[in-house]
Amino acid sequence: AQKITQTQPGMFVQEKEAVTLDCTYDTSDPSYGLFWYKQPSSGEMIFLIYQGSYDQQNATEGRYSLNFQKARKSANLVISASQLGDSAMYFCAIGGYSTLTFGKGTMLLVSP
Amino acid sequence: DTGVSQNPRHKITKRGQNVTFRCDPISEHNRLYWYRQTLGQGPEFLTYFQNEAQLEKSRLLSDRFSAERPKGSFSTLEIQRTEQGDSAMYLCASSFRGGMLGNTIYFGEGSWLTVV
Repeated sequence: AQKITQTQPGMFVQEKEAVTLDCTYDTSDPSYGLFWYKQPSSGEMIFLIYQGSYDQQNATEGRYSLNFQKARKSANLVISASQLGDSAMYFCAIGGYSTLTFGKGTMLLVSP
Repeated sequence: DTGVSQNPRHKITKRGQNVTFRCDPISEHNRLYWYRQTLGQGPEFLTYFQNEAQLEKSRLLSDRFSAERPKGSFSTLEIQRTEQGDSAMYLCASSFRGGMLGNTIYFGEGSWLTVV
């Protein structure tokens, strides 16, 4: 079984600052993928970034980067230069061959 | 380029009625997934298809729930004899196996169900 833990129910950040959203995982699969999704109030789950378990380098996608520490089983999302439009729920997920297991999410609020 | 499309977006139904949701995946994607999300929780896996074959079903998918993907394109999720506990958002997603992001799953905007 796979499990994702997101310990921060909510985070506040000022516009233009960086923020880190925490994610730890547990799995017995030797190969897996770690994902972050953003869910605005409209409900759609928007894919942000992916990290494969065997990838040597941390993934980056624009202002998003994934701080992957395999030994610690953590996959934190770093958002640089926060924008007001970043306010949303953020979900970490782990995937194997067939599907994804999500955490409970972190609500991020970006203030002017 | 169209994404995953779901309809209806919102449905209010009386307890005991049947409801059906439709999902149209990204056209070249051969995998289709259904998830359920309740307030304050992350999405929970219900079932997935590869082409027209239903390959996995969660224990959450009781016998009142049935999903189909008859021609390997769109899918329907039917809930029979709805209960108040079925109130949730039902998310559809699709993916294309293979490539660097072989397991990346793209979601639709969801279908909200309220059972009164």
